[in-house]
Amino acid sequence: GAVVSQHPSRVICKSGTSVKIECRSLDFQATTMFWYRQFPKKSLMLMATSNEGSKATYEQGVEKDKFLINHASLTLSTLTVTSAHPEDSSFYICSAKTWRSYNEQFFGPGTRLTVL
Amino acid sequence: QKEVEQNSGPLSVPEGAIASLNCTYSDRVSQSFFWYRQYSGKSPELIMSIYSNGDKEDGRFTAQLNKASQYVSLLIRDSQPSDSATYLCAVPGREYGNKLVFGAGTILRVKS
Repeated sequence: GAVVSQHPSRVICKSGTSVKIECRSLDFQATTMFWYRQFPKKSLMLMATSNEGSKATYEQGVEKDKFLINHASLTLSTLTVTSAHPEDSSFYICSAKTWRSYNEQFFGPGTRLTVL
Repeated sequence: QKEVEQNSGPLSVPEGAIASLNCTYSDRVSQSFFWYRQYSGKSPELIMSIYSNGDKEDGRFTAQLNKASQYVSLLIRDSQPSDSATYLCAVPGREYGNKLVFGAGTILRVKS
């Protein structure tokens, strides 16, 4: 149980394009989903928290107009990196928790974004 | 003071030995504690949760919690080269949404 998937696992795009990353909870309903990014050999950095049907809460310093998050259902959240630039190249990871989990978060496998 | 602190390592242990990973946290009211394992290039994987003082064992892993000392540890018995990874300690933050606060992680290297 508690399986989270992400799609795509890897994406390469040109500078200026937008990229959408999907995060799905496969066998449970996720009341809350989180989006992280991680640079090589660095710590996880929380970008935003999203609850189904409401606006995401972004961490300080994260541009909400650049990183659009939609949590349309209890099993799907999407992160869209708009007008991507090379500095947006990173490992993006989502996680999910349920009302039953006592703050436990289950992570997806991550999406590696490379912007040329 | 950081909310969650870990020794960055690397911690090197020989195969078959016990690896001991430590974590301290600053929020006295924290009630739940998590250990995640992250292999290079992969996402974190939850390996242990602990909520009460004392020890919790799961296979080769034992989590130890001491709330009075604000200290949580992870012991890995009979360490294997496949245990080589970064181990992240995580504690829920106080803010709404209960986001997790992660330590920087301890790199563990198990040498065969």
